[in-house]
Amino acid sequence: EVQLVESGGGLAQPGRSLRLSCTTSGFTFVDYAMSWVRQAPGKGLEWVGLIKSKAYGGTAEYAASVQGRFTISRDDSKSIAYLEMNSLKTEDTALYYCTREHYGSGSRIDYWGQGTLVTVST
Amino acid sequence: DIQMTQSPSTLSASVGDRVTITCRASQSVNSWLAWYQQKPGKAPNLLIYKASSLESGVPSRFSGSGSGTEFTLTISSLQPDDFATYYCQHYNTYPWTFGQGTKVEIK
Repeated sequence: EVQLVESGGGLAQPGRSLRLSCTTSGFTFVDYAMSWVRQAPGKGLEWVGLIKSKAYGGTAEYAASVQGRFTISRDDSKSIAYLEMNSLKTEDTALYYCTREHYGSGSRIDYWGQGTLVTVST
Repeated sequence: DIQMTQSPSTLSASVGDRVTITCRASQSVNSWLAWYQQKPGKAPNLLIYKASSLESGVPSRFSGSGSGTEFTLTISSLQPDDFATYYCQHYNTYPWTFGQGTKVEIK
């Protein structure tokens, strides 16, 4: 059974940093791109970015709203994906979902975690 | 970035109704489009991929069509479990983007 479990959410002040982790099991992690999707309270879904599998270069792509502030990485030896969030803004407040994309280069999202809440506030 | 626009934003319907949701892209996404269902307090669930392919385990009353810039999600006979919010998402070129969502409510 595929499982994605996020951790690391919480309260952060504007301008500070936070790192989210996504611990996975039940599939061959190295073969898939992993991504993050967020949802602000009462709002719709926003794709944050993805990291491709090593077979596709292991590079990351980002939404314009987080480009330059957020970094997605992966540890294939531990089957964990990370989202490093720097220079946080109040508008980054959201539930952050770790997601699996169907192919190593990215594709439809076929599995979702349950999310971890990030609140950016003074 | 490609903008995805769904219509309507809210839809009121009754059990047994045929329901259609439209998703338009600001430029062609070929057939690289997915539909997701989200219920309150839950993570989204993949329904349709590549515009018209039904994800495994999804009831056959759900169907998708379209290509290029215009797509539709159809529920042939609305069931009580289908009252939820539906999102389209393209995965043609980075960055992927979602539509703003369509909430299907009980009439």
